[in-house]
Amino acid sequence: AQSVTQLGSHVSVSEGALVLLRCNYSSSVPPYLFWYVQYPNQGLQLLLKYTTGATLVKGINGFEAEFKKSETSFHLTKPSAHMSDAAEYFCAVSESGNTPLVFGKGTRLSVIA
Amino acid sequence: GAGVSQSPSNKVTEKGKDVELRCDPISGHTALYWYRQSLGQGLEFLIYFQGNSAPDKSGLPSDRFSAERTGGSVSTLTIQRTQQEDSAVYLCASSATGRNYGYTFGSGTRLTVV
Repeated sequence: AQSVTQLGSHVSVSEGALVLLRCNYSSSVPPYLFWYVQYPNQGLQLLLKYTTGATLVKGINGFEAEFKKSETSFHLTKPSAHMSDAAEYFCAVSESGNTPLVFGKGTRLSVIA
Repeated sequence: GAGVSQSPSNKVTEKGKDVELRCDPISGHTALYWYRQSLGQGLEFLIYFQGNSAPDKSGLPSDRFSAERTGGSVSTLTIQRTQQEDSAVYLCASSATGRNYGYTFGSGTRLTVV
């Protein structure tokens, strides 16, 4: 069975600092991996996804993530945090393009001025 | 439509009443999913529809929960005899399949059972 672990339910960074949100997964087959962002009182929005090909994936708003099979990780990074990045971030995994996503419990990102 | 539409956006109901939540997916998306989001619990999978196949109901928490999808488009999630523990945000998502796989979520229905 698939599972996703997001290390840290709450991460706080200073404006301009590096953002690093950690995600580890378990899957018996090559996974499809996703990061979603949820702003307050809104639905989830796709940030980026990995299906096949290049392991470094670039997404919206300057975020990127790298698929590391040996570490079963898909950590999300952004070089310089903005106040507008404050939100809840969810990592998710699927075993194919036809099965439901399994989500992590989320990491709330706070950005301090 | 341009996005996934859910209605109502908020629903307050009395314990024991039945509720219906509606999801209108993106036109052409063959897959439709329902999830439940509770505070601090992440997203809990409920049910999955794919084309004309039998739905995957493996996430439904009890037989009080059911869902249908008519004509391969609009879906309705029904909760019978609501309980306080059913209070949550119910999210619907739709997706294309294959290389374009990836959920588009609606804004959700916040259900409060009093």
